[in-house]
Amino acid sequence: QLVLTQSPSASASLGASVKLTCTLSSGHSDYAIAWHQQQPEKGPRYLMKLNSDGSHSKGDGIPDRFSGSSSGAERYLTISSLQSEDEADYYCQTWGTGTLWVFGGGTKLTVL
Amino acid sequence: QVQLQESGPGLVKPSETLSLSCAVSGNSISSAYYWGWIRQPPGKGLEWIGSISQSGSTYYNPSLKSRVTISADTSKNQFSLKLSSVTAADTAVYYCASGEVVVVIHWGQGTLVTVSS
Repeated sequence: QLVLTQSPSASASLGASVKLTCTLSSGHSDYAIAWHQQQPEKGPRYLMKLNSDGSHSKGDGIPDRFSGSSSGAERYLTISSLQSEDEADYYCQTWGTGTLWVFGGGTKLTVL
Repeated sequence: QVQLQESGPGLVKPSETLSLSCAVSGNSISSAYYWGWIRQPPGKGLEWIGSISQSGSTYYNPSLKSRVTISADTSKNQFSLKLSSVTAADTAVYYCASGEVVVVIHWGQGTLVTVSS
């Protein structure tokens, strides 16, 4: 059964960079994922689709500060030049056999 | 650009059926994409409920499958969710969404449904 694992929390300083991690469970290291951002009191927003080779395609209007990369079963979201509005929950998401969409538990990012 | 808008009662009594609709604009639900429902209990993460494909095939979260029905009305370009025998544990913000098999791309703004007598 496919599981996406994310650290519950992360923090970084204003203007710095942060790298969030999503780990695919064993046997699924070739899966593409999506990253979604949920700012406080708002609905989620699609950020990008990230493939196993690290190539990614971003949603409309997503700043260049957001980028993705991959290594084995790990999928990363890097946010550079952190701004206060980047403080949000970040979810990774993919698909599963016999189901469809699967979500990670989310990472709460605090901008210090 | 696909736009999604949820509608339905904000309060449902325990043991009754929760019913929501999602109006779609910017694309036909029968032409492409998968269309689905995702919920988020207060203070918790996202949970996929189920989806329907452009051809009408349905997919449900195994943990909810016995209580969920998702259907589409192509004449109105909308799709719907029915969740039966609700309890307080079903209180959540319900989002409609669309995307590819692999990824969710478009999100509705969400609607809070509270289960209470």
